[in-house]
Amino acid sequence: NAGVMQNPRHLVRRRGQEARLRCSPMKGHSHVYWYRQLPEEGLKFMVYLQKENIIDESGMPKERFSAEFPKEGPSILRIQQVVRGDSAAYFCASSLIGGRESKNYGYTFGSGTRLTVV
Amino acid sequence: EDQVTQSPEALRLQEGESSSLNCSYTVSGLRGLFWYRQDPGKGPEFVFTLYSAGEEKEKERLKATLTKKESFLHITAPKPEDSATYLCAVQAESNYKLTFGKGTLLTVNP
Repeated sequence: NAGVMQNPRHLVRRRGQEARLRCSPMKGHSHVYWYRQLPEEGLKFMVYLQKENIIDESGMPKERFSAEFPKEGPSILRIQQVVRGDSAAYFCASSLIGGRESKNYGYTFGSGTRLTVV
Repeated sequence: EDQVTQSPEALRLQEGESSSLNCSYTVSGLRGLFWYRQDPGKGPEFVFTLYSAGEEKEKERLKATLTKKESFLHITAPKPEDSATYLCAVQAESNYKLTFGKGTLLTVNP
C-alpha cells in the first residue's frame, strides 16, 4: 500500500528553465495539496486540487506557477522560468476526504521534491 | 490570519529526560490541530489530531493536549529515535489548508 509518491526527489534547474514536480496520491485519495518549505520557514500552503479541478490556489504565486490534477495520472506542479528564490522543498499531501469535511483525519505527505535553482 | 508559534525552536534532552513542546495558535474557528514529525530529508509524518479543548491523545512516549490557545506535546522518557523536528499545524473551519509553525528540533542524546 504505497504512500504519497513524489518525483523526482531532487531537481536541479538553471535560472530560466522550467521545473515539473509530480505527485501520485495514496490509493483511493482524490484530494491533493501542495506545500512549499523554504529554508528556515514553516510549510506554506500553495494549492488544493481534486481530479480535474483547482479548488483553492490562494497560496500560489500569481505568476510562473501552475498546478493540475488530471483525470488520469499524477498531479503536476509546474514552475516556469525558475529563479533562485524558488529553491525549496515542495511537498505534496493527499487525503481521503476533503479539507472542509468534518473530522479531517489528517493529510499524508510525500517525501518531497527538493528543487535547487543554480 | 491564522498563526502558529512553536517553542522552543530547539530542544536537546538526555535519554530518559522528559519534557514538553509548546504550540500556541490563533485561528478563526478550529477544525483541528495536527502534530507531525519530520525527519531530515523526509516529509512530515502524521502523529496526532486534536479537535477540541480538553482533548488528549497518547501514543507510546508521546502525549498531546489541547486548550483554546495552545497545545503541548509531552515526551516521556525519550529515546534517541525520538529525535526529529516536530511540527504543529492548525486547520480552520473555513478553509482547507493547514497553517504550520516553524517546528521544534528535538535532539535526544544517548
